[in-house]
Amino acid sequence: GENVEQHPSTLSVQEGDSAVIKCTYSDSASNYFPWYKQELGKGPQLIIDIRSNVGEKKDQRIAVTLNKTAKHFSLHITETQPEDSAVYFCAASRGNNFNKFYFGSGTKLNVKP
Amino acid sequence: KAGVTQTPRYLIKTRGQQVTLSCSPISGHRSVSWYQQTPGQGLQFLFEYFSETQRNKGNFPGRFSGRQFSNSRSEMNVSTLELGDSALYLCASSLGASSSGNTIYFGEGSWLTVV
Repeated sequence: GENVEQHPSTLSVQEGDSAVIKCTYSDSASNYFPWYKQELGKGPQLIIDIRSNVGEKKDQRIAVTLNKTAKHFSLHITETQPEDSAVYFCAASRGNNFNKFYFGSGTKLNVKP
Repeated sequence: KAGVTQTPRYLIKTRGQQVTLSCSPISGHRSVSWYQQTPGQGLQFLFEYFSETQRNKGNFPGRFSGRQFSNSRSEMNVSTLELGDSALYLCASSLGASSSGNTIYFGEGSWLTVV
């Protein structure tokens, strides 16, 4: 099956700096890649997603890039704020698997004021 | 629009007991999937239902089961609980008509502790 690796496991940045989280996947048939933010005691919240026919997508301070050839995708957060502190998960799914997502192990982002 | 609602939020059970968790999807969403989240194994897919039919399942023992009702609400059941079943159980809903590429939205989860 699919294997999604995520790094770093922890990331500490100063407020206002950028943060980058990277994921690699193993199944070349994977075609949909969402990112989730999980705050303590809450469920994961979708923050951005990208499909395999697109190389980059931006939403205000958040962007995701996808390199299908290398099978990796990255989350970029610019101008980080303390409220960005949370655990971030990447995920991948392939066709005909009916919402079966494979998740990375998570990155704990700490934004220091 | 209300989000995904899961009940109960917290529960403690004894080894050998069984537990039923409930999930109400976002209005209009017909697909419900369940995930288990633990510190050691991360987020793992349990199963997915659409229009009362299980369309996919993960690699969990038969003690884990689920069902979906005609109003799209779903329940999952774990029988003969083991200590290792202690986890956050997350329900996610999506419009789900497609076999792939559906955006899923998670609820807040049900925290299960087995003692």
